[in-house]
Amino acid sequence: EADIYQTPRYLVIGTGKKITLECSQTMGHDKMYWYQQDPGMELHLIHYSYGVNSTEKGDLSSESTVSRIRTEHFPLTLESARPSHTSQYLCASSGNPRGRDQYFGPGTRLLVL
Amino acid sequence: AQRVTQPEKLLSVFKGAPVELKCNYSYSGSPELFWYVQYSRQRLQLLLRHISRESIKGFTADLNKGETSFHLKKPFAQEEDSAMYYCALLPGQNFVFGPGTRLSVLP
Repeated sequence: EADIYQTPRYLVIGTGKKITLECSQTMGHDKMYWYQQDPGMELHLIHYSYGVNSTEKGDLSSESTVSRIRTEHFPLTLESARPSHTSQYLCASSGNPRGRDQYFGPGTRLLVL
Repeated sequence: AQRVTQPEKLLSVFKGAPVELKCNYSYSGSPELFWYVQYSRQRLQLLLRHISRESIKGFTADLNKGETSFHLKKPFAQEEDSAMYYCALLPGQNFVFGPGTRLSVLP
């Protein structure tokens, strides 16, 4: 079934650890996005990709990095997690040339102790 | 700078009452606006887009360029409408989201 998946759904980790949040989609979409959302607040775009080997930083500065080696896969990595990284991370994809109609994954809730 | 504001963090109405969720934007170009919704324990999903001039689940939204607003309206709220609603602007190829309004429809 065509969908967008995120793993893990919840992650509790200690300061200084390296983490990778996985995002994959089976819809064949070229555009993929990572958003960060604190509770009760707006979504902030932190990374986006318009296709394989294309990655850009979003409006909100983030210490995370992303890669896009395959169309369906867009992982986000934090080399050294800190409590300030505690947040929800949402992945999305779009097959529209202008990025309309974004489909969102279920999200990963990250808690860094 | 492009910005979306939603002045109400929480809006409570009784079932059957009209509901209006406010959204204002700032953008110098020709805007494209959307409403996204997140029901409890579900993903964020597209509700409607202004360019489609559609009514989804009884909701409509009209773009008012003079007031730079895109308010979401429904004449008779249902309990299943309780959710988090986000207004979003697409100024280029990336969305700018508002902070969201939590709608609570009381029985």
